[in-house]
Amino acid sequence: DAKTTQPPSMDCAEGRAANLPCNHSTISGNEYVYWYRQIHSQGPQYIIHGLKNNETNEMASLIITEDRKSSTLILPHATLRDTAVYYCIVRAGGFNKFYFGSGTKLNVKP
Amino acid sequence: NAGVMQNPRHLVRRRGQEARLRCSPMKGHSHVYWYRQLPEEGLKFMVYLQKENIIDESGMPKERFSAEFPKEGPSILRIQQVVRGDSAAYFCASSPTDRLYTQYFGPGTRLTVL
Repeated sequence: DAKTTQPPSMDCAEGRAANLPCNHSTISGNEYVYWYRQIHSQGPQYIIHGLKNNETNEMASLIITEDRKSSTLILPHATLRDTAVYYCIVRAGGFNKFYFGSGTKLNVKP
Repeated sequence: NAGVMQNPRHLVRRRGQEARLRCSPMKGHSHVYWYRQLPEEGLKFMVYLQKENIIDESGMPKERFSAEFPKEGPSILRIQQVVRGDSAAYFCASSPTDRLYTQYFGPGTRLTVL
């Protein structure tokens, strides 16, 4: 699985959009980009995933660059409850284990 | 539909004792994964099981650790002769067959070895 690089921490004002970057320059053609988050030592929660097209669901949007070497997770209106560690993971679809790196600690401030 | 259930939530053992961690996947899910999280670190994959089969145990320590997912009942992660380095949070996740990309995680079991 490709290695990912994320900033260790970010701050965001409540109500504003949170944009979390992820670099995955060694991603292979069959590897997907996944985002999970972990709120205060709870079990990780699935957010979104994509291959090469941008994706949106009720939680977030995922923007993947055309060369697929980086992506951005967007929380459109961050709330205090979005404070968590966000993990960007790349993984081939046929394999089932996830490699969690260090993630980005997002601090949403009032 | 209840989520993934793990018990106990907290487990204290003395060095040399055995720890048994249980995981009940979501209804209809036949794929179970175990991860370990040491303090201030990310989750590390341990093992992937389907009913009665171990599919991938590449993350399991070679000794003292074992896992099973019987035809009936929860998945069990067993740690024999625990040592202080086994103190961690152990998370279980499950997936349905038609959406293997989504893993639903339980609340975890926090093991403390004295």
